[in-house]
Amino acid sequence: DTAVSQTPKYLVTQMGNDKSIKCEQNLGHDTMYWYKQDSKKFLKIMFSYNNKELIINETVPNRFSPKSPDKAHLNLHINSLELGDSAVYFCASRGRVHEQYFGPGTRLTVT
Amino acid sequence: GNSVTQMEGPVTLSEEAFLTINCTYTATGYPSLFWYVQYPGEGLQLLLKATKADDKGSNKGFEATYRKETTSFHLEKGSVQVSDSAVYFCALSNAGGTSYGKLTFGQGTILTVHP
Repeated sequence: DTAVSQTPKYLVTQMGNDKSIKCEQNLGHDTMYWYKQDSKKFLKIMFSYNNKELIINETVPNRFSPKSPDKAHLNLHINSLELGDSAVYFCASRGRVHEQYFGPGTRLTVT
Repeated sequence: GNSVTQMEGPVTLSEEAFLTINCTYTATGYPSLFWYVQYPGEGLQLLLKATKADDKGSNKGFEATYRKETTSFHLEKGSVQVSDSAVYFCALSNAGGTSYGKLTFGQGTILTVHP
């Protein structure tokens, strides 16, 4: 059973398009996160939701909008994609001792 | 704010060599500390953790001890294998305040082990 899943795994699209990435966790956790990993492997927090409520919103362009329909799902919608949005996006959920469980990642390539 | 600094990579070792990857941190309060591993093309996996000073986390032959006096959490393994080749991330998390448990990562260290 996959604990944290993301779809799609790969996403190739053109500048200006709008795309969504979906994330689901079956661990029963209340808190979920989105991280961005750049080409140098550096990881940075983007957003966090706790039980469907937004609790962390780092300095991210407002073209990025997270949505949490329930506490098991956290989706990421990106409008007007730019070349600089190309990266790997990871979803994660937080366990009892603050450890986080990551999804397999979505590699976004904007051309 | 919180920050994590890892030793610069890449690190290249022969099989059965001893591994150390240094990690130091700056944080308020009493953070939890983690090591994550990322194999090529995969997501991050939790390797080990420590939640208070002097705790030792261990898993798959890897160890790290939470040293509050030196604000360090160095990763060690006595005998590396080719299958240990991956990117290793040190990270910390503060539960309280406005951090909401978010992870602050080091820059990652690429490890390559040759037969």
